[in-house]
Amino acid sequence: AQSVTQPDIHITVSEGASLELRCNYSYGATPYLFWYVQSPGQGLQLLLKYFSGDTLVQGIKGFEAEFKRSQSSFNLRKPSVHWSDAAEYFCAVGASGNTGKLIFGQGTTLQVKP
Amino acid sequence: DGGITQSPKYLFRKEGQNVTLSCEQNLNHDAMYWYRQDPGQGLRLIYYSQIVNDFQKGDIAEGYSVSREKKESFPLTVTSAQKNPTAFYLCASSIALAPSTDTQYFGPGTRLTVL
Repeated sequence: AQSVTQPDIHITVSEGASLELRCNYSYGATPYLFWYVQSPGQGLQLLLKYFSGDTLVQGIKGFEAEFKRSQSSFNLRKPSVHWSDAAEYFCAVGASGNTGKLIFGQGTTLQVKP
Repeated sequence: DGGITQSPKYLFRKEGQNVTLSCEQNLNHDAMYWYRQDPGQGLRLIYYSQIVNDFQKGDIAEGYSVSREKKESFPLTVTSAQKNPTAFYLCASSIALAPSTDTQYFGPGTRLTVL
């Protein structure tokens, strides 16, 4: 069965420091992978997605993610974090069958220290 | 402005009552989705619809019902059969050209609390 694991429930980084949020997936075929961000009490916004091609994907707000098939990972990175990046981040994989279903990880809450 | 609206933002329900959450989109998207969000569990799919007058159960459909009479609207009813309905509910839509890779656009959510 397909699944997504985000090993870190909560991460705290200092403003200006680099960030890496981990995501591991379980999927038999080529996965369709997404990163979403959610501000408190709000809906989700897509940061970036990968489904083929270059394994380093650029997204909005200065985020990027790298697909590593050998490690079944799709980690999200940002070189310098801003206080406005504090939010909850979700990794998701598109389910098989072309239904549009997304399987989400449990989420990682990012706190940014001044 | 195109987007997805959900109403109400906050909803309180007494035990034994059915309640309906509204979701409207003006993005001309064919597909719509309902997710439930609980702390520490990510989002779980309740129901989805890829076309008007058709919908499919997701992973946690028990105690919920939906309708899709219009392309723009996908209301969710939380019935009294749902044993633990207190949660944050999110509606999403996508263009459905290639569902597995389509971007899903989310509404702002409805927080339901059972008193």
